[in-house]
Amino acid sequence: DVKVTQSSRYLVKRTGEKVFLECVQDMDHENMFWYRQDPGLGLRLIYFSYDVKMKEKGDIPEGYSVSREKKERFSLILESASTNQTSMYLCASSLFFGDSSYNEQFFGPGTRLTVL
Amino acid sequence: KNQVEQSPQSLIILEGKNCTLQCNYTVSPFSNLRWYKQDTGRGPVSLTIMTFSENTKSNRRYTATLDADTKQSSLHITASQLSDSASYICVVDFSGGYQKVTFGTGTKLQVIP
Repeated sequence: DVKVTQSSRYLVKRTGEKVFLECVQDMDHENMFWYRQDPGLGLRLIYFSYDVKMKEKGDIPEGYSVSREKKERFSLILESASTNQTSMYLCASSLFFGDSSYNEQFFGPGTRLTVL
Repeated sequence: KNQVEQSPQSLIILEGKNCTLQCNYTVSPFSNLRWYKQDTGRGPVSLTIMTFSENTKSNRRYTATLDADTKQSSLHITASQLSDSASYICVVDFSGGYQKVTFGTGTKLQVIP
C-alpha cells in the first residue's frame, strides 16, 4: 500500500513565524503535490514537483515555497505565516508525470495549521 | 475556466437508505473522472475512476456513472452505513499533461441511525 505521511496532524504558529510542513512518500512516486483545503473552496493546488529539485507553481503559490531535495520528501514552507494561511494542508503523490488515465493521487492525512 | 460543481452541498440520510450525489463539470479536454471519499480529519481516498469511454464503475456499495456528452457524473451509495458519513469529492483530470486536476468542493454526507 502507498503510504504518504505528514510530519504533524495539528500545528499552531504565530503570525510572522517560519513554518515547515514535511511530507514523505514510500512508493518511489515521481510526482508530489501540496494542496490547501478550505470550507466551500475545495482543494487548491499550491505547488507540485515532478522530479527531485523540480517544482512548478500551482494555482495559489503566493506566500509559499517548496523544497524537494530527495525523491521521497516534499516540504512546504511558509516564510512568514499569516492568519489567512490558517487551513488544512494536504500532501499527495502519484506514480509518474504525464497523461495517464490511472495516475491516481494518494493523499496524506493532512496537517491542520492554525496561525494566531 | 475549468469548473467542477457538486450537489447537494450537504445531505443527511437514514442508515440503510440509498442516495445519489451529483457532479457537473466543464473541464475540457477530458481524460478521466474520479470520486474520492474524505473522512473527517483525513486525506481523500479514491473510490472509483472512469475514463471518458466508460459510463459506469462499481466499488462495493458505491456505483459511479458518467455521461461525457452532458458532462455529468453521479455517485450512488446503496444501503448506506454509518461509516459512509464523509465528504465525497469529484475530481476531473484534463488531458493536458502535468496531471492537472480540478477538484469539486464536495458533498458532505451524514448517515444517521
